[in-house]
Amino acid sequence: AQKVTQAQTEISVVEKEDVTLDCVYETRDTTYYLFWYKQPPSGELVFLIRRNSFDEQNEISGRYSWNFQKSTSSFNFTITASQVVDSAVYFCALSERTGANNLFFGTGTRLTVIP
Amino acid sequence: SAVISQKPSRDICQRGTSLTIQCQVDSQVTMMFWYRQQPGQSLTLIATANQGSEATYESGFVIDKFPISRPNLTFSTLTVSNMSPEDSSIYLCSVSFGTGRSQETQYFGPGTRLLVL
Repeated sequence: AQKVTQAQTEISVVEKEDVTLDCVYETRDTTYYLFWYKQPPSGELVFLIRRNSFDEQNEISGRYSWNFQKSTSSFNFTITASQVVDSAVYFCALSERTGANNLFFGTGTRLTVIP
Repeated sequence: SAVISQKPSRDICQRGTSLTIQCQVDSQVTMMFWYRQQPGQSLTLIATANQGSEATYESGFVIDKFPISRPNLTFSTLTVSNMSPEDSSIYLCSVSFGTGRSQETQYFGPGTRLLVL
């Protein structure tokens, strides 16, 4: 069965610190897709990144970077030099090829960046 | 991606009544979905809205409680029927441009915050 675990419920950091949000997943499919979404206080879910199971290259986008490790079933998200605008709830999600379009979300990590 | 709007953005309703939430996309999309996010919780898929046919519901969700329409490729509605306080949640619409046979990225609307008294 599929499962996404975000063990960190809440994290607080001081502005300009780096922070890593952990995501561990479980799936029996050999082909699957991983996502990160950001939910600011306004409530809208903002798509950040999608990763296919056959592409383990890490990715960097500005201050954001993602580390995908199939060996440990992890897909961690790092924010470098955090800013107050990064304060939000971040969700990791998994979609299996055999599960059509169902997205399984983790429980989310609430990040607070203190000025 | 696409510009997705939802109406209403929020509402306060009395128990026993029904509320219809609209989701409008600025371009034609293949797939439309409805999710529920209960207070402090993660997102759960309610159903896939199929154009011109009945929606596909996930386990735990039924058509009588959450009727869904999708008359065309840019619009869908979700009705929360006979509401109780337990229905207080954020309801989110999402869309994707995939064929339905392979997973595509889902883009979400701004959500509808519902409070049932």
